[in-house]
Amino acid sequence: EVQLVQSGAEVKKPGESLKISCKGSGYSFTSYWIGWVRQMPGKGLEWMGIIYPGDSDTRYSPSFQGQVTISADKSISTAYLQWSSLKASDTAMYYCARPPRGQLVPFDYWGQGTLVTVSS
Amino acid sequence: QSALTQPASVSGSPGQSITISCTGTSSDVGGYNYVSWYQQHPGKAPKLMIYDVSNRPSGVSNRFSGSKSGNTASLTISGLQAEDEADYYCSSYTSSSTLLYVFGTGTKVTVL
Repeated sequence: EVQLVQSGAEVKKPGESLKISCKGSGYSFTSYWIGWVRQMPGKGLEWMGIIYPGDSDTRYSPSFQGQVTISADKSISTAYLQWSSLKASDTAMYYCARPPRGQLVPFDYWGQGTLVTVSS
Repeated sequence: QSALTQPASVSGSPGQSITISCTGTSSDVGGYNYVSWYQQHPGKAPKLMIYDVSNRPSGVSNRFSGSKSGNTASLTISGLQAEDEADYYCSSYTSSSTLLYVFGTGTKVTVL
């Protein structure tokens, strides 16, 4: 069974750094892209970027380029989303999601989400 | 790159059919047959309901159907049921800059 299990909720202060994770299981982790999607409170879905763990090829939405870093550790089948300096506006639910093999879209498997709260 | 445009809300009575529209451009919806639809219940992760304009993943009810004409895609829910009450998002592959995937603004479906 394919599963994407994300790390738990985080409460951080502005300016702090953060790295959240998404562990894939039940499939060949290095053969599928994994993407990240933001959902701000009460708002819609936003595509942030995507990584191919097999060779670390990474694409970012222009809206998130330079604001976050997407990475993956294929030895432990885990993808990451990280911030070097959080802002209050980063408060949101973050989902990782996986498309079918060899494709960038659509997302047919989703993690349960990680809620990130940034507040002083 | 702006989000694809959806109506904010659509409602219908049990058993009726409703249609949600999703308007984009020739760089996304109109240019590719990679339109998908997601259902999201409150507090839950999105669920893929339709992919490649009109295909249903295994396990999704055949009450859900998708289509496309020009730059506008549509999701139709027939035989509306209480469990269909949720938010629905369209999405599309896009050739705009390095943005590969764009979501719609979302539509709240209410079952009266």
